[in-house]
Amino acid sequence: KAGVTQTPRYLIKTRGQQVTLSCSPISGHRSVSWYQQTPGQGLQFLFEYFSETQRNKGNFPGRFSGRQFSNSRSEMNVSTLELGDSALYLCASSLQASGSGEQFFGPGTRLTVL
Amino acid sequence: AQTVTQSQPEMSVQEAETVTLSCTYDTSESDYYLFWYKQPPSRQMILVIRQEAYKQQNATENRFSVNFQKAAKSFSLKISDSQLGDAAMYFCAYRDNSGYALNFGKGTSLLVTP
Repeated sequence: KAGVTQTPRYLIKTRGQQVTLSCSPISGHRSVSWYQQTPGQGLQFLFEYFSETQRNKGNFPGRFSGRQFSNSRSEMNVSTLELGDSALYLCASSLQASGSGEQFFGPGTRLTVL
Repeated sequence: AQTVTQSQPEMSVQEAETVTLSCTYDTSESDYYLFWYKQPPSRQMILVIRQEAYKQQNATENRFSVNFQKAAKSFSLKISDSQLGDAAMYFCAYRDNSGYALNFGKGTSLLVTP
């Protein structure tokens, strides 16, 4: 079974631009979560989707948004990029959205904002 | 909000030796789940071990075991017979029973020396 895939793997943007990252979960997984990883703040939860519905959102500004499609693939969008948005963005999928359910992580998308 | 603290930014262990990584957490919930994730230099986050708070027995996965002290809110990871491939960042994470997000600690960088 293929793992979680994220595209693109690397991205360079300039301040003020917007960016869209994509995540394809493991086949059969309906829950997709997004995390931002930076050296200063560590791993922070962005949002979680289940069956095309956002069920939980972390403490991030409205510039960060996402969606999930009927095939469970998810995208996250960051508008008006700031230097501080430079990070590794990780996507994770799971069968169970809560509790002890294991989240399987993708390799991440490294976003650099210049 | 739940917080997860890993007080050891870096740890070092010799091959074949045993090392223990510390993690404490703060929560008012009684039903929750704890995880240890490993992130090698390739960046793919992998679940090492999980513990349900309602279980008194400490979880074990081959060379990896935990010491779960619910009253003390402590969840340490013991790696026995350390191998070079164990070198990675290790993250402790918490999720309550109804939550979707994993709350991560800042991580411990484990170096394994020959």
